[in-house]
Formats: sequence, C-alpha cells, structure tokens
Amino acid sequence: SQKIEQNSEALNIQEGKTATLTCNYTNYSPAYLQWYRQDPGRGPVFLLLIRENEKEKRKERLKVTFDTTLKQSLFHITASQPADSATYLCAPTFSGGYNKLIFGAGTRLAVHP
Amino acid sequence: EPEVTQTPSHQVTQMGQEVILRCVPISNHLYFYWYRQILGQKVEFLVSFYNNEISEKSEIFDDQFSVERPDGSNFTLKIRSTKLEDSAMYFCASSVSQEFGSPLHFGNGTRLTVT
Repeated sequence: SQKIEQNSEALNIQEGKTATLTCNYTNYSPAYLQWYRQDPGRGPVFLLLIRENEKEKRKERLKVTFDTTLKQSLFHITASQPADSATYLCAPTFSGGYNKLIFGAGTRLAVHP
Repeated sequence: EPEVTQTPSHQVTQMGQEVILRCVPISNHLYFYWYRQILGQKVEFLVSFYNNEISEKSEIFDDQFSVERPDGSNFTLKIRSTKLEDSAMYFCASSVSQEFGSPLHFGNGTRLTVT
C-alpha cells in the first residue's frame, strides 16, 4: 500500500533562513501533490498544488518541487518568519482516488526570532 | 472569504450516546468530506459525499457512522453509539469540484470528547 513519509522530527530554524520540508512516497507517483498548513486546534489550510508533470511551483515565499524519480516533494519557505511556525502536511492524490486526500503525518516547523 | 463552519466547537458525550456533528460547507461547493484527527496523530480521511450519496469511505467509517445532507446547506456526521476511541477532532471539508487536485477547504473542527 502507499506510504507517505514526512520528517517526523520538528524542524527548528532561525528567522530569515529557508525552511525545507520533505515528503516522500512509495510505489505509485501521485497525479497531484498538495501542501497544507495546520495550526494547533485548527483545520488544515491549502497552500500549494503541484502536478506530476511540473517540476516546481512558487507562490510568494513558498516553493514546491516534485521529483517523480526520487518519489519526493520538497516544500521551501524562504525568508522564514515566526508566523510561519505551524505543522505542514503533504497530501498526494493518486489516480483513481477521486479527490480523497491522504495526508502525511506532517512536519512541525518552529521559526525562532 | 467564504469559509466552512462547524458546530459545536467542542462536544462532550458519554460512551454509548449518539452525537451529531454539523457543518455548513462553502455555498457553491458540491463535494463534502469528513476527516478526523486523534490528538497527536495525523489527519485521517473518513468519507466523501457528492450528489446525496457517499463517494468513498475509509475502513474507519463503519456502521456506527453516517452522513447526511438534510437540506441545501448543512452536512452532518452522526456517530450512533460513541466509544472512547472516537474522541478526536472532526474536520469537515468541501471542494468546488472532485477533479484531481481540487483543494479542500476545511472548517476548524469539532473536538469530540467521549467519557
């Protein structure tokens, strides 16, 4: 069965640095991969989507890459701020799965002033 | 910006009781979902719903669970006889389309505590 793996350890970085979060999957490549942000006690919020035929997608300080050979997506936040502190979830969508999102466990990011 | 609203924000119930969690999806969305998150664990898919019927459900969504769209705006999740292990945050979500990759819009959840 499909497995989705995200860095299980929390990521601690200094304000102003670039945060890089990893999402690895096994077996089949997803048709799409979405990234969400989740704050404590709140629902996930959609950030970015990347398609399997796209290598990179950007939105303001956010960048997502998708490497189907490595079976990996990287999520970057440049010029990080304390307000970026949250848990970041990746959610691949596989063909035939309608739009059912299966989330990874998430990576908690803490940006320190 | 339109949002998904969920009520109540916190529900406490005794084991064996029935609970109904309510959601108002975004008005022009056609696809609806329930997810749950046990404390400290990942967000898990329960069920998706379209055109007044279930599109897909997970193994978690057993006979104790049911969903309904009783009118044009509400979407409910019913747990018939709650168990201690049903304690979790329950998130409702909606999307405008079921096209692959259509982003989901989540509510802020109902925290269900079963005692």
